[in-house]
Amino acid sequence: DTGVSQNPRHKITKRGQNVTFRCDPISEHNRLYWYRQTLGQGPEFLTYFQNEAQLEKSRLLSDRFSAERPKGSFSTLEIQRTEQGDSAMYLCASSQRQGWQETQYFGPGTRLLVL
Amino acid sequence: AQKITQTQPGMFVQEKEAVTLDCTYDTSDQSYGLFWYKQPSSGEMIFLIYQGSYDEQNATEGRYSLNFQKARKSANLVISASQLGDSAMYFCAMREALSGYSTLTFGKGTMLLVSP
Repeated sequence: DTGVSQNPRHKITKRGQNVTFRCDPISEHNRLYWYRQTLGQGPEFLTYFQNEAQLEKSRLLSDRFSAERPKGSFSTLEIQRTEQGDSAMYLCASSQRQGWQETQYFGPGTRLLVL
Repeated sequence: AQKITQTQPGMFVQEKEAVTLDCTYDTSDQSYGLFWYKQPSSGEMIFLIYQGSYDEQNATEGRYSLNFQKARKSANLVISASQLGDSAMYFCAMREALSGYSTLTFGKGTMLLVSP
């Protein structure tokens, strides 16, 4: 399977703990995106990378959130001091820059529950 | 104001019938792209179809077609010959120049249920 993969698929944590999610994009894709999706809503953009450079961050991405893509391949999203409001599905997508029809392909997501 | 509006929280259709899922958008850009994604209960967002703002023809991909009415700022998804496996959430999304030609803005989605 050469699609986008995300690990773990599910995470339950206690408030105040740190969590880290991993995303492995499609191998030839140079762009990687993180989105957050809460119940009953569409995904909301958090941040994106082109190769290893983080080019854009949403104001949704508070100081407790940090994302990296150290070698331009996989990416990690870390949430420090989790809060109950962080409970959501975290989706990763990747794409190959190719103009307007650039299509983002999504992974299966990581469901986070903060107790 | 909502950038993407999907007014149908849920839709029901019988197997083998066609269904239209509504999407209206709001942008001041001349250049933008519109996408539809399907999200089954497993959670993965599956790309279905794309329409560019300068495309003169409506996009089609197999059983999916996009009814693009630029003046009305609508981009409705038409699914012909519905199948049971089409039951899922469907999201309309837009990429516009104001977002730097990169990020997608999604609507709230429409839940489609296909009955036998």
